[in-house]
Amino acid sequence: AQSVTQLDSHVSVSEGTPVLLRCNYSSSYSPSLFWYVQHPNKGLQLLLKYTSAATLVKGINGFEAEFKKSETSFHLTKPSAHMSDAAEYFCVQMDSSYKLIFGSGTRLLVRP
Amino acid sequence: NAGVTQTPKFRILKIGQSMTLQCTQDMNHNYMYWYRQDPGMGLKLIYYSVGAGITDKGEVPNGYNVSRSTTEDFPLRLELAAPSQTSVYFCASSYSKGREGYTFGSGTRLTVV
Repeated sequence: AQSVTQLDSHVSVSEGTPVLLRCNYSSSYSPSLFWYVQHPNKGLQLLLKYTSAATLVKGINGFEAEFKKSETSFHLTKPSAHMSDAAEYFCVQMDSSYKLIFGSGTRLLVRP
Repeated sequence: NAGVTQTPKFRILKIGQSMTLQCTQDMNHNYMYWYRQDPGMGLKLIYYSVGAGITDKGEVPNGYNVSRSTTEDFPLRLELAAPSQTSVYFCASSYSKGREGYTFGSGTRLTVV
């Protein structure tokens, strides 16, 4: 069965420092991959998506992710964290029947 | 443009009661989905629909029912509520098969006591 693994349940960074949220997927084909963000008591918002085009994907709010097939990874990065980035982040894979498979989430804490 | 609208935002049910979670979208999306999110977990698919009149089970359908009489609306029915159904419920929709991403509602927080 396909699965998505987010390697850190919590990540804490200082404001202005880089953010790295790690994600590994399992798939035997070229998948569609997404990162969603969920702010407290809010719905999920799409940050960015990878659908077999450029391997470096740019999203909203300065986030980007790199698809690495050899490592089956799709890590999310941002050069400089802002206090408003504090939220839960989900790495998501679309399976062969077009359903979404969610990772368990990474909670990002940004320290002033 | 409202996107995906869910009502109510919060609800407390007693064991054995029933209720319907409402979901409506105004983007003319054919595909609609219901997910539940338990603490510390990702979302799990309950039911989905690929168009009016067509629904299918997801990963965790037991205890729930859905209907899709129009393109816009996709209500989720809980019959005989149980504590295990305490969760946050999200409705989502997508254009076609969703490769461009889903649009999510803001969620319904349900507590069964």
